Amino acid sequence: AQSVTQPDIHITVSEGASLELRCNYSYGATPYLFWYVQSPGQGLQLLLKYFSGDTLVQGIKGFEAEFKRSQSSFNLRKPSVHWSDAAEYFCAVAPYTGTASKLTFGTGTRLQVTL
Amino acid sequence: NAGVTQTPKFQVLKTGQSMTLQCAQDMNHNSMYWYRQDPGMGLRLIYYSASEGTTDKGEVPNGYNVSRLNKREFSLRLESAAPSQTSVYFCASGKTSLETQYFGPGTRLLVL
Repeated sequence: AQSVTQPDIHITVSEGASLELRCNYSYGATPYLFWYVQSPGQGLQLLLKYFSGDTLVQGIKGFEAEFKRSQSSFNLRKPSVHWSDAAEYFCAVAPYTGTASKLTFGTGTRLQVTL
Repeated sequence: NAGVTQTPKFQVLKTGQSMTLQCAQDMNHNSMYWYRQDPGMGLRLIYYSASEGTTDKGEVPNGYNVSRLNKREFSLRLESAAPSQTSVYFCASGKTSLETQYFGPGTRLLVL
């Protein structure tokens, strides 16, 4: 079974600073990888996803993530954080089964942005 | 275009009571999902429906039942609520099983 680890429960960065959120996965084959963001009291919104091809993936709101097979990682980055980026971020993995994909989520990283 | 809607937004139940959480999507998606979110545990899949007429168990199905009423609607039923089912419940849908999942705003459930 697949699993996802987000080692950082809580991260604080200053507005304008760069950001990297870590995600490691465990899966026997090439997985499908996702990053979702959840603002307080809201549902989840997809930031970006990786299915195949270029290992550097661009998403919405200026986020990007890089798939590194050798490290089983899919870290999320942003060059300059804005105060509105404060939220909880979830990495997720899904196997390709040909039928309904079962997303497995990490436990989340809460991002705080100081002004 | 409302996307994924969930009702109710909040609910308080007593142990042993039953209730149904409703979910509807207007994006003509084939796949629908129910998750629960608990502090420090991320989201866990309860049940999913790959297409109209089919449902399958996810990671934590015990204590729940689902009905895919039609292509638009996917309900989650708690027959006899327990305090361990206190959680935030999210419904999601996707065009196909491999496509992006779109989430509803959630239902916050408290079981006393």
